[in-house]
Amino acid sequence: DSGVTQTPKHLITATGQRVTLRCSPRSGDLSVYWYQQSLDQGLQFLIQYYNGEERAKGNILERFSAQQFPDLHSELNLSSLELGDSALYFCASSVGDRDDQPQHFGDGTRLSIL
Amino acid sequence: GESVGLHLPTLSVQEGDNSIINCAYSNSASDYFIWYKQESGKGPQFIIDIRSNMDKRQGQRVTVLLNKTVKHLSLQIAATQPGDSAVYFCAEAPSGSARQLTFGSGTQLTVLP
Repeated sequence: DSGVTQTPKHLITATGQRVTLRCSPRSGDLSVYWYQQSLDQGLQFLIQYYNGEERAKGNILERFSAQQFPDLHSELNLSSLELGDSALYFCASSVGDRDDQPQHFGDGTRLSIL
Repeated sequence: GESVGLHLPTLSVQEGDNSIINCAYSNSASDYFIWYKQESGKGPQFIIDIRSNMDKRQGQRVTVLLNKTVKHLSLQIAATQPGDSAVYFCAEAPSGSARQLTFGSGTQLTVLP
């Protein structure tokens, strides 16, 4: 158990809809990262937050947004969903944002768009 | 763009043998590298990491080797066990203020009885 909790485990919805994925980092970790894992693109970095502030953006679509709350949990919001958004979405956390500490991953949310 | 890639997509080894999983990276600015193991239905699990000022690092049954000259990373698993069967990813992080990881495409390791 990595200590990173993601909910829900599975999500099935339709095109055009909006969903929110939730992540609770490991106790003591201030950084939260979101990744997307799809069959054709592999694991790709989306966005990072550190202590409530956005730190880095990767291949995140404009239809997607995230935030980190004062209690350090994070949410990833996906809107105007398309079939191609079907993927596994992982959250990871680490202690800081600049130090060489490994990121620990949750077990992901599997998003299926019908 | 620059990316991390793997030489072999699949690897089958006999139980008890040693496994070697290779990874090539192309971003010369990367200075921190991690190996992850992913089992079906689970998230990537941290195995071992190495910083660019090191050539080798050992853990329990695992060793990571880093060759910066040829931008190559390898993971050695000693006495491979059935529980080692999984997909293994290498990941790199560039120096700088953020530590977003760039992942390789993964290698499926299958341990044969």
